[in-house]
Amino acid sequence: DAGVIQSPRHEVTEMGQEVTLRCKPISGHNSLFWYRQTMMRGLELLIYFNNNVPIDDSGMPEDRFSAKMPNASFSTLKIQPSEPRDSAVYFCAISDSAGGTEAFFGQGTRLTVV
Amino acid sequence: SQQGEEDPQALSIQEGENATMNCSYKTSINNLQWYRQNSGRGLVHLILIRSNEREKHSGRLRVTLDTSKKSSSLLITASRAADTASYFCATDARGNMLTFGGGTRLMVKP
Repeated sequence: DAGVIQSPRHEVTEMGQEVTLRCKPISGHNSLFWYRQTMMRGLELLIYFNNNVPIDDSGMPEDRFSAKMPNASFSTLKIQPSEPRDSAVYFCAISDSAGGTEAFFGQGTRLTVV
Repeated sequence: SQQGEEDPQALSIQEGENATMNCSYKTSINNLQWYRQNSGRGLVHLILIRSNEREKHSGRLRVTLDTSKKSSSLLITASRAADTASYFCATDARGNMLTFGGGTRLMVKP
C-alpha cells in the first residue's frame, strides 16, 4: 500500500456535486489504473494510463467520469455530477507496462453519494 | 465483464486446515495472479504464475494453472486466523491490464 497514496480515504457528498479522487504513485512504474469496487459488480477496471497517456478508458461508465494524469506522480478521477449509484470504493493501482508483473494498489477511497 | 470467476464465493474453515480456492477464466492469458484483500484495505499481490507454468509455490501458498481448462487454484496450507480475507484471481489477457474475478471470502476460525 505504501507505494500508492490515495486521497481522501473517505468522501461523502451530495448527489449532483463534483467529486475528485486523487492518486500519488511512487516513481518507477509507468502504468496506472483506476478500479471501482462494489458488492454487486466486483472490481471493475475504469481506465488505464501508460506513460501518463490514457490507453484504454472503455471501462469508464459514463461521460460524468473523467480521469487525468498530468505527470508520472499524480492522477485524478473526477465524477461530475455525482449520483448515488457511483457509491463505491475506488482504487488506484500501478504496475510496469512490460507486463508479467504485479500491481500495487492504494488503500482506496470510499465514496458515498447521498 | 469479469474475466475470472472464483469458486467458492465464501469459505469457512478451522485454523490449521487447508483452504482451496478455484478460478476459471475465459480467454487466453499471459499470466494469472492471485491477490488478497483485507477488509477496508487495498489488494496485495500474493503470487504470479505464467501461462507456461503449471505449479508454483510461495511459503504456505501453492498455485496451479491448467491452461487447457482455463482454470487455476490457490491452496493455503495450515491456515491461520490471520489468513481471513478475500482472495481474487486476476488475468492479463489484455496486455498488462488486469481483470479480476469476483473473489472468495475466506474465514479462518481460531
